[in-house]
Amino acid sequence: EDQVTQSPEALRLQEGESSSLNCSYTVSGLRGLFWYRQDPGKGPEFLFTLYSAGEEKEKERLKATLTKKESFLHITAPKPEDSATYLCAVQAQGFNKFYFGSGTKLNVKP
Amino acid sequence: DSGVTQTPKHLITATGQRVTLRCSPRSGDLSVYWYQQSLDQGLQFLIQYYNGEERAKGNILERFSAQQFPDLHSELNLSSLELGDSALYFCASSLEGKETQYFGPGTRLLVL
Repeated sequence: EDQVTQSPEALRLQEGESSSLNCSYTVSGLRGLFWYRQDPGKGPEFLFTLYSAGEEKEKERLKATLTKKESFLHITAPKPEDSATYLCAVQAQGFNKFYFGSGTKLNVKP
Repeated sequence: DSGVTQTPKHLITATGQRVTLRCSPRSGDLSVYWYQQSLDQGLQFLIQYYNGEERAKGNILERFSAQQFPDLHSELNLSSLELGDSALYFCASSLEGKETQYFGPGTRLLVL
């Protein structure tokens, strides 16, 4: 069965303290892996799409990487405004459904 | 702003009632997805439409139904509502149903 697991469930960082969020997946053929940011009560905001192992994407303080079994979202020198829940989703070959993980709730303290 | 719009923003109703949630996709997008997000729960995929046709089904209850109209907007109908149906309902759209999905702001449904 296709699955997406995110860890940790929650992460508390001091401003400027870099860290990484993990998304591990088991799908029968990956079509794409997607990272989203979600603020409380809001819709998920698209961050990155990764398609193949070895691919990397960057945006401001965020960098997403992909291997054959997992993806990392690296946050460099985070600021309080980076506090949010980060969601990972995968899409399997031959299917249209997106499988979302439960998310990592990030709290960055000033 | 993702370009996906959803109405209403908030909805309060009673058990046993029926409601309709509306979604307008981004301009040019042919595919619409519906998701449910309960308190402290992840996003649960409900159903996908592509250019008016149902394409994929997830954990959608029989009491729920959806459709996509010729102008590509979509409606999610929830009937015989129960307390447990209280949740955020999100709509997302993508160009052809195989790419990145862009999410709307959601409709918060409260069943009393």
